Amino acid sequence: SQQGEEDPQALSIQEGENATMNCSYKTSINNLQWYRQNSGRGLVHLILIRSNEREKHSGRLRVTLDTSKKSSSLLITASRAADTASYFCAFNTGANSKLTFGKGITLSVRP
Amino acid sequence: DGGITQSPKYLFRKEGQNVTLSCEQNLNHDAMYWYRQDPGQGLRLIYYSQIVNDFQKGDIAEGYSVSREKKESFPLTVTSAQKNPTAFYLCASNNLRGETQYFGPGTRLLVL
Repeated sequence: SQQGEEDPQALSIQEGENATMNCSYKTSINNLQWYRQNSGRGLVHLILIRSNEREKHSGRLRVTLDTSKKSSSLLITASRAADTASYFCAFNTGANSKLTFGKGITLSVRP
Repeated sequence: DGGITQSPKYLFRKEGQNVTLSCEQNLNHDAMYWYRQDPGQGLRLIYYSQIVNDFQKGDIAEGYSVSREKKESFPLTVTSAQKNPTAFYLCASNNLRGETQYFGPGTRLLVL
């Protein structure tokens, strides 16, 4: 299947620093989404960006989308220890309601 | 309080046994999904349904079965044909435009 690919696989930063995570995909998309998963829990939706949008903000989150490069970035500013989690990108191609998920990025924020 | 629920939280399966995982949503979503997550891995789609009484296989459907008799409910049966069922199972739902998926808390299946 056309899985998204996140980069890096793991990221460790100090509290207060910014965290940047990248996602690439191979097909045309309708929208791209980022999710967060705390250990042993379900995923929680963070932000959605549509194919005709280039940048979106939500609190300390900033997501960009470059459809020409088929890539997206999620920036978490002023990170906190509570941001420690796995982050997944997912995209919808518009053919149906399914999302295709990447393998995830493990973010560790040191206090 | 709208949401999606899964039960049980933990499930133990004996060899040769079929077990059923429950998923219920009150979000009025048409589409529902079952994913399998192995340690340190991403989500793999098992089955999905976009309308009552209809469902499609995902990437790893072998050894699993589902039903969609009601809009709110999408139970997953892990059959004895699934030889490696130990995993974390997540149910999700969304609208037919493929927008935000809402996830349940998950069921962890272990083999005795």
